[in-house]
Amino acid sequence: EPEVTQTPSHQVTQMGQEVILRCVPISNHLYFYWYRQILGQKVEFLVSFYNNEISEKSEIFDDQFSVERPDGSNFTLKIRSTKLEDSAMYFCASSADRTTNEKLFFGSGTQLSVL
Amino acid sequence: DQQVKQNSPSLSVQEGRISILNCDYTNSMFDYFLWYKKYPAEGPTFLISISSIKDKNEDGRFTVFLNKSAKHLSLHIVPSQPGDSAVYFCAALSNFGNEKLTFGTGTRLTIIP
Repeated sequence: EPEVTQTPSHQVTQMGQEVILRCVPISNHLYFYWYRQILGQKVEFLVSFYNNEISEKSEIFDDQFSVERPDGSNFTLKIRSTKLEDSAMYFCASSADRTTNEKLFFGSGTQLSVL
Repeated sequence: DQQVKQNSPSLSVQEGRISILNCDYTNSMFDYFLWYKKYPAEGPTFLISISSIKDKNEDGRFTVFLNKSAKHLSLHIVPSQPGDSAVYFCAALSNFGNEKLTFGTGTRLTIIP
Protein backbone atom coordinates (compact mmCIF):
# COMPACT_ATOMS: atom_id res chain seq x y z
CA GLU A 1 0.00 0.00 0.00
CA PRO A 2 1.34 3.48 -0.81
CA GLU A 3 2.51 5.51 2.14
CA VAL A 4 3.66 8.95 3.15
CA THR A 5 7.33 8.92 4.13
CA GLN A 6 8.88 11.36 6.58
CA THR A 7 12.53 11.94 7.37
CA PRO A 8 14.18 12.11 9.78
CA SER A 9 12.18 10.20 12.37
CA HIS A 10 13.90 12.18 15.12
CA GLN A 11 15.56 15.59 14.96
CA VAL A 12 17.35 17.30 17.82
CA THR A 13 18.34 20.93 17.42
CA GLN A 14 19.48 23.90 19.42
CA MET A 15 17.13 26.80 20.02
CA GLY A 16 17.51 29.41 17.28
CA GLN A 17 18.67 26.93 14.66
CA GLU A 18 16.87 26.28 11.41
CA VAL A 19 15.35 22.86 10.75
CA ILE A 20 13.87 21.31 7.65
CA LEU A 21 11.47 18.43 7.98
CA ARG A 22 11.03 16.35 4.88
CA CYS A 23 8.10 14.44 3.51
CA VAL A 24 7.46 12.38 0.41
CA PRO A 25 3.69 12.32 -0.15
CA ILE A 26 1.93 9.57 -2.05
CA SER A 27 2.81 10.04 -5.69
CA ASN A 28 -0.57 10.85 -7.25
CA HIS A 29 -1.76 13.05 -4.39
CA LEU A 30 -2.33 16.75 -4.93
CA TYR A 31 -3.10 18.10 -1.45
CA PHE A 32 -0.46 18.28 1.24
CA TYR A 33 -0.63 19.09 4.91
CA TRP A 34 1.45 19.51 8.03
CA TYR A 35 0.04 18.79 11.47
CA ARG A 36 1.84 18.66 14.80
CA GLN A 37 1.26 17.17 18.21
CA ILE A 38 2.91 18.56 21.30
CA LEU A 39 3.35 15.86 23.91
CA GLY A 40 0.10 15.25 25.77
CA GLN A 41 -1.88 17.62 23.59
CA LYS A 42 -4.11 17.33 20.56
CA VAL A 43 -2.99 16.99 16.97
CA GLU A 44 -3.06 20.52 15.50
CA PHE A 45 -3.37 21.67 11.92
CA LEU A 46 -0.51 23.83 10.68
CA VAL A 47 -0.89 24.32 6.94
CA SER A 48 -2.37 22.97 3.75
CA PHE A 49 -0.75 23.24 0.32
CA TYR A 50 -2.16 22.80 -3.14
CA ASN A 51 -1.04 23.80 -6.61
CA ASN A 52 2.27 25.12 -5.27
CA GLU A 53 0.77 27.51 -2.80
CA ILE A 54 -0.56 27.59 0.73
CA SER A 55 -4.33 27.19 0.72
CA GLU A 56 -4.90 27.54 4.45
CA LYS A 57 -2.78 28.02 7.54
CA SER A 58 -3.39 28.16 11.26
CA GLU A 59 -2.36 30.85 13.72
CA ILE A 60 0.54 28.61 14.74
CA PHE A 61 2.02 28.88 11.26
CA ASP A 62 3.71 32.26 11.66
CA ASP A 63 6.59 33.87 9.77
CA GLN A 64 9.04 31.38 11.25
CA PHE A 65 7.40 28.58 9.30
CA SER A 66 7.46 27.95 5.57
CA VAL A 67 6.58 25.08 3.27
CA GLU A 68 7.92 24.18 -0.10
CA ARG A 69 7.54 21.56 -2.77
CA PRO A 70 11.00 21.88 -4.28
CA ASP A 71 10.52 19.10 -6.81
CA GLY A 72 7.83 16.68 -7.92
CA SER A 73 8.15 14.42 -4.92
CA ASN A 74 9.24 16.23 -1.75
CA PHE A 75 7.22 18.47 0.54
CA THR A 76 9.18 20.27 3.24
CA LEU A 77 8.44 22.24 6.39
CA LYS A 78 11.09 24.73 7.44
CA ILE A 79 11.30 26.39 10.82
CA ARG A 80 13.70 29.31 10.53
CA SER A 81 14.65 29.91 14.14
CA THR A 82 13.40 27.16 16.41
CA LYS A 83 11.95 27.84 19.83
CA LEU A 84 11.60 25.47 22.77
CA GLU A 85 7.85 25.38 22.22
CA ASP A 86 8.34 24.04 18.70
CA SER A 87 9.24 20.68 20.23
CA ALA A 88 6.56 18.30 18.96
CA MET A 89 5.80 15.41 16.66
CA TYR A 90 5.27 16.79 13.17
CA PHE A 91 3.04 14.83 10.82
CA CYS A 92 2.91 15.25 7.08
CA ALA A 93 -0.26 14.14 5.28
CA SER A 94 -1.47 13.98 1.73
CA SER A 95 -4.69 13.30 -0.13
CA ALA A 96 -5.82 12.93 -3.70
CA ASP A 97 -9.03 14.80 -3.16
CA ARG A 98 -9.66 17.76 -0.90
CA THR A 99 -13.17 16.72 0.01
CA THR A 100 -12.54 13.07 0.81
CA ASN A 101 -11.01 13.37 4.23
CA GLU A 102 -11.04 9.71 5.03
CA LYS A 103 -8.50 9.43 2.25
CA LEU A 104 -6.05 11.60 4.16
CA PHE A 105 -2.88 9.59 4.66
CA PHE A 106 -0.47 10.50 7.42
CA GLY A 107 3.23 9.80 7.66
CA SER A 108 4.73 8.31 10.81
CA GLY A 109 6.01 11.69 11.93
CA THR A 110 9.22 13.48 12.83
CA GLN A 111 9.85 13.99 16.52
CA LEU A 112 11.48 17.43 16.84
CA SER A 113 13.27 18.22 20.08
CA VAL A 114 14.50 21.79 20.58
CA LEU A 115 17.06 22.18 23.35
CA ASP B 1 -9.63 26.50 22.64
CA GLN B 2 -10.77 22.88 22.81
CA GLN B 3 -13.45 22.61 20.16
CA VAL B 4 -13.18 18.82 20.18
CA LYS B 5 -12.83 17.10 23.52
CA GLN B 6 -12.07 13.57 24.52
CA ASN B 7 -12.43 13.59 28.27
CA SER B 8 -11.09 10.11 28.90
CA PRO B 9 -7.33 9.97 28.35
CA SER B 10 -7.33 6.20 28.77
CA LEU B 11 -9.65 3.23 28.76
CA SER B 12 -9.08 -0.47 29.51
CA VAL B 13 -11.47 -3.12 28.23
CA GLN B 14 -11.49 -6.90 28.43
CA GLU B 15 -10.99 -8.71 25.16
CA GLY B 16 -14.34 -9.65 23.61
CA ARG B 17 -16.25 -6.90 25.39
CA ILE B 18 -17.46 -3.61 23.94
CA SER B 19 -15.20 -0.56 23.89
CA ILE B 20 -16.93 2.82 23.91
CA LEU B 21 -14.89 5.93 23.20
CA ASN B 22 -16.53 9.30 23.60
CA CYS B 23 -16.04 12.68 22.00
CA ASP B 24 -17.75 16.05 22.53
CA TYR B 25 -17.58 19.14 20.37
CA THR B 26 -18.54 22.74 20.83
CA ASN B 27 -18.48 24.19 17.32
CA SER B 28 -21.92 23.89 15.71
CA MET B 29 -20.34 24.49 12.29
CA PHE B 30 -18.79 21.02 12.37
CA ASP B 31 -20.67 18.74 10.03
CA TYR B 32 -18.36 15.83 9.42
CA PHE B 33 -16.66 13.69 12.02
CA LEU B 34 -13.91 11.12 11.80
CA TRP B 35 -12.14 8.67 14.04
CA TYR B 36 -8.46 7.96 13.59
CA LYS B 37 -6.40 5.24 15.20
CA LYS B 38 -2.74 5.64 16.03
CA TYR B 39 -0.17 3.04 16.95
CA PRO B 40 3.17 4.05 18.52
CA ALA B 41 5.73 5.31 15.99
CA GLU B 42 3.09 5.53 13.26
CA GLY B 43 0.89 8.30 11.93
CA PRO B 44 -2.88 8.38 12.50
CA THR B 45 -4.86 6.13 10.18
CA PHE B 46 -8.47 6.70 9.23
CA LEU B 47 -10.97 4.36 10.89
CA ILE B 48 -14.54 5.51 10.30
CA SER B 49 -16.47 8.71 9.66
CA ILE B 50 -19.97 10.12 9.90
CA SER B 51 -21.75 13.01 8.28
CA SER B 52 -23.99 15.24 10.37
CA ILE B 53 -27.01 14.16 8.34
CA LYS B 54 -26.71 10.69 9.86
CA ASP B 55 -26.85 9.45 13.42
CA LYS B 56 -25.09 6.14 12.92
CA ASN B 57 -22.48 4.61 10.67
CA GLU B 58 -21.31 1.04 10.90
CA ASP B 59 -18.28 -0.71 9.43
CA GLY B 60 -17.69 -4.23 10.65
CA ARG B 61 -16.83 -4.16 14.34
CA PHE B 62 -16.82 -0.35 14.41
CA THR B 63 -19.89 1.84 14.79
CA VAL B 64 -19.96 5.58 15.23
CA PHE B 65 -22.98 7.28 16.77
CA LEU B 66 -23.69 10.99 16.47
CA ASN B 67 -26.01 12.96 18.73
CA LYS B 68 -26.14 16.42 17.20
CA SER B 69 -28.35 17.97 19.85
CA ALA B 70 -25.87 16.93 22.53
CA LYS B 71 -22.87 17.65 20.29
CA HIS B 72 -21.59 14.22 21.17
CA LEU B 73 -20.27 11.27 19.25
CA SER B 74 -19.06 7.87 20.28
CA LEU B 75 -17.13 5.02 18.74
CA HIS B 76 -18.18 1.48 19.63
CA ILE B 77 -15.88 -1.44 19.00
CA VAL B 78 -17.39 -4.86 19.46
CA PRO B 79 -15.99 -7.33 20.10
CA SER B 80 -12.75 -5.70 21.21
CA GLN B 81 -9.55 -7.42 20.14
CA PRO B 82 -5.94 -7.04 21.38
CA GLY B 83 -4.99 -5.40 18.07
CA ASP B 84 -7.41 -2.59 18.86
CA SER B 85 -5.04 -1.34 21.55
CA ALA B 86 -4.01 2.11 20.28
CA VAL B 87 -4.70 5.81 20.72
CA TYR B 88 -8.00 6.89 19.16
CA PHE B 89 -8.51 10.44 17.97
CA CYS B 90 -11.82 12.05 17.24
CA ALA B 91 -11.64 14.75 14.55
CA ALA B 92 -14.12 17.20 13.08
CA LEU B 93 -14.50 19.18 9.92
CA SER B 94 -16.69 22.07 8.89
CA ASN B 95 -17.75 22.40 5.31
CA PHE B 96 -16.94 26.07 5.51
CA GLY B 97 -13.23 25.51 6.12
CA ASN B 98 -12.75 22.00 4.93
CA GLU B 99 -9.00 22.08 4.68
CA LYS B 100 -8.52 21.65 8.35
CA LEU B 101 -9.25 18.76 10.67
CA THR B 102 -9.74 19.70 14.31
CA PHE B 103 -8.61 16.86 16.55
CA GLY B 104 -9.34 15.86 20.10
CA THR B 105 -6.54 14.96 22.52
CA GLY B 106 -7.01 11.23 22.06
CA THR B 107 -7.98 8.26 24.21
CA ARG B 108 -5.53 5.43 24.79
CA LEU B 109 -7.44 2.16 24.54
CA THR B 110 -5.91 -0.96 26.08
CA ILE B 111 -7.52 -4.31 25.42
CA ILE B 112 -6.80 -6.81 28.16
CA PRO B 113 -6.45 -10.39 26.90
